[in-house]
Amino acid sequence: LAKTTQPISMDSYEGQEVNITCSHNNIATNDYITWYQQFPSQGPRFIIQGYKTKVTNEVASLFIPADRKSSTLSLPRVSLSDTAVYYCLVGDRMDTGRRALTFGSGTRLQVQP
Amino acid sequence: DGGITQSPKYLFRKEGQNVTLSCEQNLNHDAMYWYRQDPGQGLRLIYYSQIVNDFQKGDIAEGYSVSREKKESFPLTVTSAQKNPTAFYLCASSTLSGAFEQFFGPGTRLTVL
Repeated sequence: LAKTTQPISMDSYEGQEVNITCSHNNIATNDYITWYQQFPSQGPRFIIQGYKTKVTNEVASLFIPADRKSSTLSLPRVSLSDTAVYYCLVGDRMDTGRRALTFGSGTRLQVQP
Repeated sequence: DGGITQSPKYLFRKEGQNVTLSCEQNLNHDAMYWYRQDPGQGLRLIYYSQIVNDFQKGDIAEGYSVSREKKESFPLTVTSAQKNPTAFYLCASSTLSGAFEQFFGPGTRLTVL
C-alpha cells in the first residue's frame, strides 16, 4: 500500500478556504485517493474520492495533478464544525483481496471563530 | 435506518478477562472490519472479513479473535493475551466493489482497570 504524508496540523478561521495537501510518491496505477473526516470519539466519515484531475461534491473538492504523486483536499468557507482530523488514503479499488484501509495520523484542522 | 451499531459504548475490564465487542450492520455489506485507535493516532486494522465464515488478520491481530457466523454480525473478542487493550475500537463495513467507502460505527471505548 502506498505511504501517504500529510501535515500534522493546520489552523484556519471561519469563512476561509482550507487546502490540505497529501503526498503519495509511490502511488500505483490502480490506486484511488480517498479522504476521510473524523470528529473526536466518532468513526471516520468518507468525504471524497478521486483518481485524476478534479472531483467535486457538496462538501469538498479534490485536486490531483497529472503525475498523481500528491493530492489536495479543498474545503470551501470552513466553519467551526469542520474542526476535525482529515485522513488521506491511497488504495487499489480493484483489489478485492484486501479492501481494508491504512490510516496514517491524519491532519488535525482547527477552525477558529 | 441503515447503519452500523456497536455496543457497548463504554466498556471496563479487569486484567486477565476476555471481553467481546458487538458490531452489527444492516447495510447488506459483504465486508466488515475492526480497527483500533489509540489517542492521537490513526486507525490500525485488527481483522477483516469479506464473506461469512471467513476472516483475515490485519496488522495487529495478536490478542484478538473474531467470528463471522452471519453477514450482519462481526463480534470482536479482546483476550487476556492482548497486552495493552485500552483503546477506542471501531467497526466498519463496505461493499466489495466501487468506491473505497467504508461506513463506521460509533465505536466502543475499552478501558482495562
